[in-house]
Amino acid sequence: NAGVTQTPKFQVLKTGQSMTLQCAQDMNHNSMYWYRQDPGMGLRLIYYSASEGTTDKGEVPNGYNVSRLNKREFSLRLESAAPSQTSVYFCASSENRSNQPQHFGDGTRLSIL
Amino acid sequence: SQQGEEDPQALSIQEGENATMNCSYKTSINNLQWYRQNSGRGLVHLILIRSNEREKHSGRLRVTLDTSKKSSSLLITASRAADTASYFCATPGGFKTIFGAGTRLFVKA
Repeated sequence: NAGVTQTPKFQVLKTGQSMTLQCAQDMNHNSMYWYRQDPGMGLRLIYYSASEGTTDKGEVPNGYNVSRLNKREFSLRLESAAPSQTSVYFCASSENRSNQPQHFGDGTRLSIL
Repeated sequence: SQQGEEDPQALSIQEGENATMNCSYKTSINNLQWYRQNSGRGLVHLILIRSNEREKHSGRLRVTLDTSKKSSSLLITASRAADTASYFCATPGGFKTIFGAGTRLFVKA
C-alpha cells in the first residue's frame, strides 16, 4: 500500500522554466492538498481539492496552477519558475474534510536557479 | 486564521528522558492534531484530540488539550533516538488545516 506518491523526488530548474509535480494516492480519499515547506515557516497551503472536479486556492497560490485529473491524481504546475519557489513541496490527502488526518507524500525538493 | 504555535522551537534530551512540546492557538477549535516529520520525509499523523477530550494516549504519546487556555501539549515518555524528528500541531482553519512551525526534537543516544 503506497499511500501518497510524489514524483519527482528532486528537481533543479532554471528561472523561467516550467514543470509539473505529480501526486497520486491509492486510499480512495476525496480531498487532496499541495503544500510548500520552507525553513522556519511550517507548511503553507498552495491549493487544495475538496473532491474530484473542484480546486480552490490556499494561502500562497500565486505562480502555481493545479489539476485534479481524477480521484487519485492531483498535479501542481509551475508555469514560469522563480527562485522564490525554491522549496520542498508536499502533497497530502484526507478522506474528506481537512480537519481529518492527512496522509503525506515524501515531498519534491525543488531548486530554482 | 487560527494557527498553532509550538514551544520550544528546539529541544535536546537524553535517551530515556521525557520530552514535552506545547502548542498554543488563537481561536476556538473542535479538534487539534499532532504530526511528526522525520528528516527528509513527509509528515505522519500521530494523534487527533477533540475539543471535548482533555487527554489522549497512544503508546508512549500523551496529548492534553486545555480549551480554556487554548493550548495543547505532547508528551513523549521514555524517548528513543528514533523519536528524533520535528513535531507539528495542526488546527482547523475553515476547510483548511493550519500547521505551526514545529518543534525540533533531538534525542541523544
